[in-house]
Amino acid sequence: NAGVMQNPRHLVRRRGQEARLRCSPMKGHSHVYWYRQLPEEGLKFMVYLQKENIIDESGMPKERFSAEFPKEGPSILRIQQVVRGDSAAYFCASSPGLKKISTDTQYFGPGTRLTVL
Amino acid sequence: LAKTTQPISMDSYEGQEVNITCSHNNIATNDYITWYQQFPSQGPRFIIQGYKTKVTNEVASLFIPADRKSSTLSLPRVSLSDTAVYYCLVGDGETSGSRLTFGEGTQLTVNP
Repeated sequence: NAGVMQNPRHLVRRRGQEARLRCSPMKGHSHVYWYRQLPEEGLKFMVYLQKENIIDESGMPKERFSAEFPKEGPSILRIQQVVRGDSAAYFCASSPGLKKISTDTQYFGPGTRLTVL
Repeated sequence: LAKTTQPISMDSYEGQEVNITCSHNNIATNDYITWYQQFPSQGPRFIIQGYKTKVTNEVASLFIPADRKSSTLSLPRVSLSDTAVYYCLVGDGETSGSRLTFGEGTQLTVNP
């Protein structure tokens, strides 16, 4: 059973470009979380999704960031018009959705390291 | 907002038992306590979760006193491969995901 997959592992963008980060959850998992981790800091929650439904986006910046988890295919975190401050590691986690949000065990992917030049 | 406080770093030696304490003074009645481990350039990995008293699995033990304002992760006989950052996470299922903030974590360094 493959774990959570994220791609690309490393992404370089110039200011103003768009960044698309993909996350494929573990088989059988219906819930996906996205986190951002700045260097030397802890993970910050961004968004929590179920297939075709955003459950909680309270951690998402109001502008330029969006996320989706379509019925088919991976979850996508999209950052439009990237700025240098968006440089960070972005982690995706999935869970089976059997328990409530923060008590459900989360399985993390290896992360995508975004560098904005 | 439930906030957690952990020591920034700890040092230990191979074979010793390590105890990492997390303070969560504002823990709510429905809050569970979860610990994750993170190696450099990797995503966090679930270690253990508990609500009260003591929980033990094949990797660690979690001690939670009666007032639940703190919790202690205990790693028996650590090895060099246990060098990692350990995060304490507190939250319940009824709150928004913005409470899912891992904080700074504790950098554990195990020396030979």
